[in-house]
Amino acid sequence: NAGVTQTPKFQVLKTGQSMTLQCAQDMNHNSMYWYRQDPGMGLRLIYYSASEGTTDKGEVPNGYNVSRLNKREFSLRLESAAPSQTSVYFCASSSRGTEPLHFGNGTRLTVT
Amino acid sequence: AQSVTQPDIHITVSEGASLELRCNYSYGATPYLFWYVQSPGQGLQLLLKYFSGDTLVQGIKGFEAEFKRSQSSFNLRKPSVHWSDAAEYFCAVGETQGAQKLVFGQGTRLTINP
Repeated sequence: NAGVTQTPKFQVLKTGQSMTLQCAQDMNHNSMYWYRQDPGMGLRLIYYSASEGTTDKGEVPNGYNVSRLNKREFSLRLESAAPSQTSVYFCASSSRGTEPLHFGNGTRLTVT
Repeated sequence: AQSVTQPDIHITVSEGASLELRCNYSYGATPYLFWYVQSPGQGLQLLLKYFSGDTLVQGIKGFEAEFKRSQSSFNLRKPSVHWSDAAEYFCAVGETQGAQKLVFGQGTRLTINP
């Protein structure tokens, strides 16, 4: 029973490098989300996808792009990483409005 | 804009003692409110949620929370904490039409003294 799977678990990048964070869910959920977690700031929504084929900006979208590849997968791309993007990134999914979010275990990203 | 404030960054309680974690929110309409718990190195797990109806909601692991509209609060309580309750706790508010766009508080880290 995998739930929400994120890869990689850890990543170190140099400033200016690019990378894609992968997320897959096996619960047949419609909606998927990317959050970042920084100390003292809780979680902040980067992008979300309400349903397959749609994506929308959240609170902190600058410097990121997303792709809803299919119903299961939702990737987050950093085109040119910056030290300010050092954070823990969480992917989540949900079935419909009032159902709770299910979170992955996170990706810890360090940009030097 | 909606917002959530958790006034206590860090709380320490003794095992067996009661616990209350504070959460205040700002939201224009009837809020949907959540409490999540995060153990070290893990994702977040839902403890409980409030959408409507009874203002005292029960969750998992013996937790409960009370919605008080007049105080814009949704405080989390547990009568007797266990060492395994040590974790970080997040309050969140949001809309749930279509996708759940949640706004999280800063979190409260709970330490349990033996």
